[in-house]
Amino acid sequence: GAVVSQHPSRVICKSGTSVKIECRSLDFQATTMFWYRQFPKKSLMLMATSNEGSKATYEQGVEKDKFLINHASLTLSTLTVTSAHPEDSSFYICSARPSINEQFFGPGTRLTVL
Amino acid sequence: AQSVTQLDSQVPVFEEAPVELRCNYSSSVSVYLFWYVQYPNQGLQLLLKYLSGSTLVKGINGFEAEFNKSQTSFHLRKPSVHISDTAEYFCAVIAFSGGYNKLIFGAGTRLAVHP
Repeated sequence: GAVVSQHPSRVICKSGTSVKIECRSLDFQATTMFWYRQFPKKSLMLMATSNEGSKATYEQGVEKDKFLINHASLTLSTLTVTSAHPEDSSFYICSARPSINEQFFGPGTRLTVL
Repeated sequence: AQSVTQLDSQVPVFEEAPVELRCNYSSSVSVYLFWYVQYPNQGLQLLLKYLSGSTLVKGINGFEAEFNKSQTSFHLRKPSVHISDTAEYFCAVIAFSGGYNKLIFGAGTRLAVHP
């Protein structure tokens, strides 16, 4: 199957700083990418849909000014957690959809805010 | 709106025993159905998917699932599990309604295989 990478895999930062997470589709183009958040022992919660060349579509309850999404090209989407706080600590997973019936996931990024 | 219910949060089973992980969905429109597996601290790997056609779908690692439209179910089965099958399993659905095509996940089922 297609490969989706995320960088970094793990990040620890101080409260109040911003953290950028990159998501790349390595061998296919994706006009749409998705960002999910997963709490320990919980399911994946869709945060937003990232659309290449346009604004992201955020799910209800997700602060768009807190979680900035940029889909700069057909192979790259970034999620920036601004002014991070300990409650933002989580496992963030991106995915990309080369076609409507396939969706591939990145390996995830573990964010820890001290 | 679509939703996915995984009826069991945890399923303990002995090695080489059969297992069934249950999944029910709610949608008034046509759907695509998926099962994903997640190993600790990793992303999700697709096990199998139902798009159309035969209701019995075979996936990787010996897993299979059956789509039952009348019962709105998509249960995952394996006739004989291994220790390495211990992981979290997620059922997911995409429903099609005027462009509404987000992949929505169930709460997950933790499969614990014991020797």
